Amino acid sequence: GQNIDQPTEMTATEGAIVQINCTYQTSGFNGLFWYQQHAGEAPTFLSYNVLDGLEEKGRFSSFLSRSKGYSYLLLKELQMKDSASYLCAAMDSNYQLIWGAGTKLIIKP
Amino acid sequence: GAVVSQHPSWVICKSGTSVKIECRSLDFQATTMFWYRQFPKQSLMLMATSNEGSKATYEQGVEKDKFLINHASLTLSTLTVTSAHPEDSSFYICSAREPSGRDTDTQYFGPGTRLTVL
Repeated sequence: GQNIDQPTEMTATEGAIVQINCTYQTSGFNGLFWYQQHAGEAPTFLSYNVLDGLEEKGRFSSFLSRSKGYSYLLLKELQMKDSASYLCAAMDSNYQLIWGAGTKLIIKP
Repeated sequence: GAVVSQHPSWVICKSGTSVKIECRSLDFQATTMFWYRQFPKQSLMLMATSNEGSKATYEQGVEKDKFLINHASLTLSTLTVTSAHPEDSSFYICSAREPSGRDTDTQYFGPGTRLTVL
């Protein structure tokens, strides 16, 4: 079957670095997405990886290893506004999204 | 975890026809379902919020007469794109909220429906 796993909740300190991991199993693969979702709001697109490696975009970076079915989202210089849920979603061979349950990130001062 | 399904996963239709997309929560009751539209590598754009047994709440700029939403039961919401045109071609994603009793209810996303209007 197809599934995605990511931690349910993580806590980090303002100014620090946090890595949110995501492992996936899909029928075929057409890329992996990371979204940020604040409570009561629509998910905001953060990144899309389809090739192995690290892609950096400001304070956020996303990494993909296709052979391991593994991705992570790295957040640097954490700010209080980064407190949100982070959703990992893989696209299968039919271009369907398989969603993780989301990781609730709590930032403490 | 909870599962949300969408049907169909892929639909191609002629301009001027109507297309119905179903969103089902398979193992839980969803009092609220959301319909989103997504363009490639962009954020999900909320179109409307649908509550079981009542009229949907549409976001500003979304035509309620064009995108008909019906939430007839606690496990099914439908989005009908009426008189579809090529500019309606997009990836439509639904999500369902399972009330958990906590301050933040859990939202589960469907796999999406890719609509292509010729």
